[in-house]
Amino acid sequence: GAVVSQHPSRVICKSGTSVKIECRSLDFQATTMFWYRQFPKQSLMLMATSNEGSKATYEQGVEKDKFLINHASLTLSTLTVTSAHPEDSSFYICSASVRTGVLKQYFGPGTRLTVT
Amino acid sequence: QQQVKQSPQSLIVQKGGIPIINCAYENTAFDYFPWYQQFPGKGPALLIAIRPDVSEKKEGRFTISFNKSAKQFSLHIMDSQPGDSATYFCAASNNTDKLIFGTGTRLQVFP
Repeated sequence: GAVVSQHPSRVICKSGTSVKIECRSLDFQATTMFWYRQFPKQSLMLMATSNEGSKATYEQGVEKDKFLINHASLTLSTLTVTSAHPEDSSFYICSASVRTGVLKQYFGPGTRLTVT
Repeated sequence: QQQVKQSPQSLIVQKGGIPIINCAYENTAFDYFPWYQQFPGKGPALLIAIRPDVSEKKEGRFTISFNKSAKQFSLHIMDSQPGDSATYFCAASNNTDKLIFGTGTRLQVFP
């Protein structure tokens, strides 16, 4: 149980284009979904928190117009990197949470974005 | 005050050894302390978690020790195996639901 998928697993795009990453909770309905970014050999950096049907809450320093988050349903959230630049190249990971006493976060397998 | 400090940065043990990874926190409002295991190119996987009302939790070969007064918690891996080679992250959260991650420990277990 508690499986989270991400699509695509890898994507290469050209500078200036936009890329959409999907995050789905496959066998449970997620209270909240989170989007993280991870640089090589570093920890996870929280970008934003998203709840179904409401606007995402972005962490300080994360540009909301560049990283568009849509939380369409209790099982689907999308992250769109708009007008991508090489510095946006990173490993993007989503998590979906479910409250069972405490709020447990289950992570997706991640998406490797390379902007050329 | 929101930080979680993790050490060591890297750890090398032989098969069968017991690596220990330590974390410390400041925020006394934290009430949930999970450990995640991450393999290269993969997302983190929840390994084991503890709440502050117990001092120890064991699941298989993985044990969390929790010291509430010292605001420290640690992960012990019994009878470590080469397949345990991964990066381990501690984390902490309170009712805000956000996880505050440690900086990670890269563990290598040699045969």
